[in-house]
Amino acid sequence: SQTIHQWPATLVQPVGSPLSLECTVEGTSNPNLYWYRQAAGRGLQLLFYSVGIGQISSEVPQNLSASRPQDRQFILSSKKLLLSDSGFYLCALGQGHSNEQFFGPGTRLTVL
Amino acid sequence: DAKTTQPPSMDCAEGRAANLPCNHSTISGNEYVYWYRQIHSQGPQYIIHGLKNNETNEMASLIITEDRKSSTLILPHATLRDTAVYYCIVRVASGGYQKVTFGTGTKLQVIP
Repeated sequence: SQTIHQWPATLVQPVGSPLSLECTVEGTSNPNLYWYRQAAGRGLQLLFYSVGIGQISSEVPQNLSASRPQDRQFILSSKKLLLSDSGFYLCALGQGHSNEQFFGPGTRLTVL
Repeated sequence: DAKTTQPPSMDCAEGRAANLPCNHSTISGNEYVYWYRQIHSQGPQYIIHGLKNNETNEMASLIITEDRKSSTLILPHATLRDTAVYYCIVRVASGGYQKVTFGTGTKLQVIP
């Protein structure tokens, strides 16, 4: 079965600092990968998706970027964090006929 | 993707059935109904999905109305561990990219 790893689990960063969140998956090949953000008290917002290595699509304009250097690795980055970047970041993979999505444990980011 | 409407919160007595409604009046013919839940501070967990027939698995049952404009997720014997936010979403189920829009869901509180 698929396993999704995310690290770090929690992160506190100052405004203006860079960010790198990593997501790796096991037990699957060529998955569709997604980055979501959940702000406090709000639903999940899709940030990026990737259907393959080097293929990234963005859903919302923001100061975040994503990369997929390997089939099972998905990275979320920022050059300069904003206060509004605080939230719970979730990596998900979709696979199979129904493309049901499975979510990782998440990274809680606090920008101060 | 069609939008969904869910009540913001519900209470359910432990051991009783929890019935969580979802309206999706603009669902189109090739869209499935999916349910996820998110326990506090964890990633969302897939529960069940269906197209038009009622579905049952080890976690829950999904009842979809004949016109497919609404559905109900049933947890037959709710436990305290079922306390979570439940998301109903609708989307097409085919390979490749899937844009998924999560609303704010229903916060289910199971009461001892």
